Parts: sequence; structure tokens; C-alpha cells
Amino acid sequence: QVQLVESGGGVVQPGRSLRLSCAASGFSFSSYGMHWVRQAPGKGLEWVSVISNDANNENYVDSVKGRFTMSRDNSKNTLYLQMNSLTLEDTGVYYCAKDRFPYTNSHLGYYYGVDVWGQGTTVTVSS
Amino acid sequence: DIQMTQSPSSLSASVGDRVTITCRASQSITSYLSWIQQKPGRAPKLLIYAASRLESGVPSRFSASGSGTDFTLTISSLQPEDFATYYCQQSYNAPYTFGQGTKLEIK
Repeated sequence: QVQLVESGGGVVQPGRSLRLSCAASGFSFSSYGMHWVRQAPGKGLEWVSVISNDANNENYVDSVKGRFTMSRDNSKNTLYLQMNSLTLEDTGVYYCAKDRFPYTNSHLGYYYGVDVWGQGTTVTVSS
Repeated sequence: DIQMTQSPSSLSASVGDRVTITCRASQSITSYLSWIQQKPGRAPKLLIYAASRLESGVPSRFSASGSGTDFTLTISSLQPEDFATYYCQQSYNAPYTFGQGTKLEIK
């Protein structure tokens, strides 16, 4: 079945870096745009970033632009989120999710949401 | 950025009740809206996409409507497993913002 499994979370000091991974299985990974969504403790969902199916295009929420970089390796069915210069506000559970439909150019907008989510990996930024 | 505002923020209801949650966008998003359910400690789950299309496997007691700026999610007869937090999300323009959530609790 379709599955997304995140890893790489942990406890890190402010200003340090962390790289998250999301292993995909059960679908044609290279056909789908992918997203990261996060959730601070006790708070709502916040969209973080998207990458196109071919890895050529990305988009980010302003609060992480210049600090986070999303990438993917379609040969390994794996998605990544490189997080640099972490701040306390980056603490939370990070979910990866796939586009509902293939080839939707979701980095440009006008797409019909995400349909599968991973279980999340927890990032704690603390001194 | 497009602001998504849900109401109410919380709601108490009983099993068998009909409940409606609303979501308003700060500008037109046509039908690029999803409804998502999240239970404590669990990953979010897609219920509705394209404003009114029921995701495969989601019970038919869930329905949704709307376009432009105003949207609604209706649960026709609440079941015990429906008590959760519900979010709307626009996928019209990045950043793809969520509503603040509506927590549905047992009365």
C-alpha cells in the first residue's frame, strides 16, 4: 500500500542543522509532487514546502526561505528536508505528504491537495 | 498570503448529531480546498478534495460544498470515531495555508 515514513528528527540546539528524510513506497514516487507540513506542539498545521515531481522546482513558506531546502532522489524514492539555522519556532512534528494527483505542478498552485501523509518525525530545537 | 478562517474553533456535539463547520478564504480560491481530519497523536487524513469530492474510503456521512471564498464541511450523523480536529487547506496559491482548526468534542 501507499506509505510514507519520515525519519531524521531529534533534539538540536538553536542555530544548528538537521536533515529529515521521507521514504516512499507503494506508488510511482517520481510522478508526484511532495510536501512538508509541520505542527508545533499543541498548534495547528502549517504548510512548509513543496517540490515538483522532477525535483526542478520548489516553493517555501516565507518563515523558512533561505534556511530550509527541499530535495528528492527519485532513484531512491526518498524526499529530504535540509533545515539550517534552526530556531525555537521550528520545533514540531514534521509530516511529508504526496499530491492527490500526479503531474499537477503543485509548486505553482492550482492543485487538489495531498492525500497521503506520513506519521511524522519530531524536531525539538532547544538550548 | 491567503488567510483561511474556520468557525467555530471548537464544537461540542453528541453521537447522531448533524454538524457543520465553515471555512472562509480571504480571497477567491475557486474550488482548491481540502478538508482534513486529525486525531490526537495521529497523522492527518484527507476527507475532501476539490471542495466537494469525497476521498476514497471516507464514509458518505461526510459531505462538503462551496466555491470562491466560502466553504462548509458537514457530518450528517456523528459517529464516535468522528471526534477529532478538522482543518481546511487552500491549494490555490503558495503558501498553502490551513485554517486554525475546529476541535469537535463529545458533549
